[in-house]
Amino acid sequence: GENVEQHPSTLSVQEGDSAVIKCTYSDSASNYFPWYKQELGKRPQLIIDIRSNVGEKKDQRIAVTLNKTAKHFSLHITETQPEDSAVYFCAASRTSTSYGKLTFGQGTILTVHP
Amino acid sequence: NAGVTQTPKFQVLKTGQSMTLQCAQDMNHEYMSWYRQDPGMGLRLIHYSVGAGITDQGEVPNGYNVSRSTTEDFPLRLLSAAPSQTSVYFCASSRQGSFTEAFFGQGTRLTVV
Repeated sequence: GENVEQHPSTLSVQEGDSAVIKCTYSDSASNYFPWYKQELGKRPQLIIDIRSNVGEKKDQRIAVTLNKTAKHFSLHITETQPEDSAVYFCAASRTSTSYGKLTFGQGTILTVHP
Repeated sequence: NAGVTQTPKFQVLKTGQSMTLQCAQDMNHEYMSWYRQDPGMGLRLIHYSVGAGITDQGEVPNGYNVSRSTTEDFPLRLLSAAPSQTSVYFCASSRQGSFTEAFFGQGTRLTVV
């Protein structure tokens, strides 16, 4: 089955700096890679996703890049703000057979210091 | 729409007790899943369902049962609770098809003593 590794496990940055979180996956047939943000005590919520036919996707201050050859994808947050502090999870799935299931990385605790 | 609703939010069980975590969605989603979240391990899939009457096991199914009699409801049953089942449990639902967003419930924090 699919295995997703996420690094780093914790990340501390100053407000205004950039933050990068990296994930690798094992199943070369995976074709959907969402990122979820989970604030303390809340539910995970989708912030951005990318499909395997796209190399990069941006949405305001966040972007995701995908390298299919190397089987890794990354989340980039620019101009970080204290409200970006949360746990971030990457995930992967092979949509043809996943039936909605996702394989998650271990999570990254991002702390943005004012 | 309420989205995905889980009850209860918090629960304490004694070892050996049984209970059911409830999950309901009002988005008419075909797919529903249960995950458990443990520190440093992300979210791991317990069971999932592709529609009413159809369920299957995920990565960590032992000690849990599910059923899906309606599109809206997907309860998770703990048969005989063990301390290793202390965790935060999330239910999720998504539309049938590719590249569809998974919507999560607010979670149930379960402690087994």
